Amino acid sequence: GDSVTQKQGQVTLSEDDFLFINCTYSTTTYPTLFWYVQYPGQGPQLLLKVTTANNKGISRGFEATYDKGTTSFHLQKASVQESDSAVYFCALVASGSWQLIFGSGTQLTVMP
Amino acid sequence: GPKVLQIPSHQIIDMGQMVTLNCDPVSNHLYFYWYKQILGQQMEFLVNFYNGKVMEKSKLFKDQFSVERPDGSYFTLKIQPTALEDSAVYFCASSLPPPGTALNERLFFGHGTKLSVL
Repeated sequence: GDSVTQKQGQVTLSEDDFLFINCTYSTTTYPTLFWYVQYPGQGPQLLLKVTTANNKGISRGFEATYDKGTTSFHLQKASVQESDSAVYFCALVASGSWQLIFGSGTQLTVMP
Repeated sequence: GPKVLQIPSHQIIDMGQMVTLNCDPVSNHLYFYWYKQILGQQMEFLVNFYNGKVMEKSKLFKDQFSVERPDGSYFTLKIQPTALEDSAVYFCASSLPPPGTALNERLFFGHGTKLSVL
């Protein structure tokens, strides 16, 4: 079945560090790919979305590029802030499905 | 922005009892979802719902689970009877179109209901 893999359970950085969170996926269809962010005590909220048509999503300084060859969809940010501390989820919707499938999440902690 | 409200925020019940989790979705949304989250990490899909019907469900959506949205009111998740492994945070979500079908679609999530089964 369709799946999303995030191997980094926790990432700890200092302010202004570069962020890179790895995400790979597996599906037999053409997926739509998402990054959601969850702050403490809240539900996930959409950070950015990428389709096979546009290949790249950018939002609030975060960027993700879809690479069909490596089936990856990594999240990057050039300079993190303490307010970016949250759990980040990579997710996909397979073509023909309405099911949003989440990865296991990466807890990002940014130290001041 | 649009908000999904979940009631209550925390529910404590004894194993074997019935529980109903309530969700007030965004007013003009047509698609509804429940997810289960354990230990603040993995978001597990349970079910999606449209036009009064379950469209897709996962293996986690056991026979003891049911969903409904009678007359456009709350979208509810009922568990009867509850088991210890049902303890988790349950998130409701809604969307106007289904995810992956339109340029600006997204799921809007509530803040979750923490269910503690004793």
